[in-house]
Amino acid sequence: KAGVTQTPRYLIKTRGQQVTLSCSPISGHRSVSWYQQTPGQGLQFLFEYFSETQRNKGNFPGRFSGRQFSNSRSEMNVSTLELGDSALYLCASSPLGNQPQHFGDGTRLSIL
Amino acid sequence: DQQVKQNSPSLSVQEGRISILNCDYTNSMFDYFLWYKKYPAEGPTFLISISSIKDKNEDGRFTVFLNKSAKHLSLHIVPSQPGDSAVYFCAAKKRNTGNQFYFGTGTSLTVIP
Repeated sequence: KAGVTQTPRYLIKTRGQQVTLSCSPISGHRSVSWYQQTPGQGLQFLFEYFSETQRNKGNFPGRFSGRQFSNSRSEMNVSTLELGDSALYLCASSPLGNQPQHFGDGTRLSIL
Repeated sequence: DQQVKQNSPSLSVQEGRISILNCDYTNSMFDYFLWYKKYPAEGPTFLISISSIKDKNEDGRFTVFLNKSAKHLSLHIVPSQPGDSAVYFCAAKKRNTGNQFYFGTGTSLTVIP
């Protein structure tokens, strides 16, 4: 069974640019969540999509947005990039209910 | 506002001994808890879960204990193996909130051969 796939693995951008990250969940998983990981901060929840609708949102500015397509694939967009956006962005998928999330290997975003 | 805390950034244990990783939480509405293991340059890998209706769950060498009155969670690894060396995260979610998990900051476990 294929795992969660995130593309690209690495990305370098400059301040002010925008970026789009992609996540393909495990087949059959309809929930996709995004997390930001920075040193010393653990994983911070960004948002969750379920059946193409945002179901939950974390405490991040509106520059961070996402969407989910009918095949459950999800994209995350960050506009007007800031130096502090440099982080590992992780996507996780899960089936319904109290089930563990399965993570991709992440996209490492570096802002210059 | 860190609702899930792992107060030990690192832990070293001899191979074959028990590793105990601790996690504290502040929100009494949390009802489902997970432990993940993470190697460098990889995403977190699910290890074991526990629901608030239980106080213990075992899976092979891994056991998770939940003390709801103390709002405390622990992961026991017995016996510890060098391949267990990784960063361990605990995570929690509230009832009926989809998959919005709150993560601790992680504990780096080193198992010494």
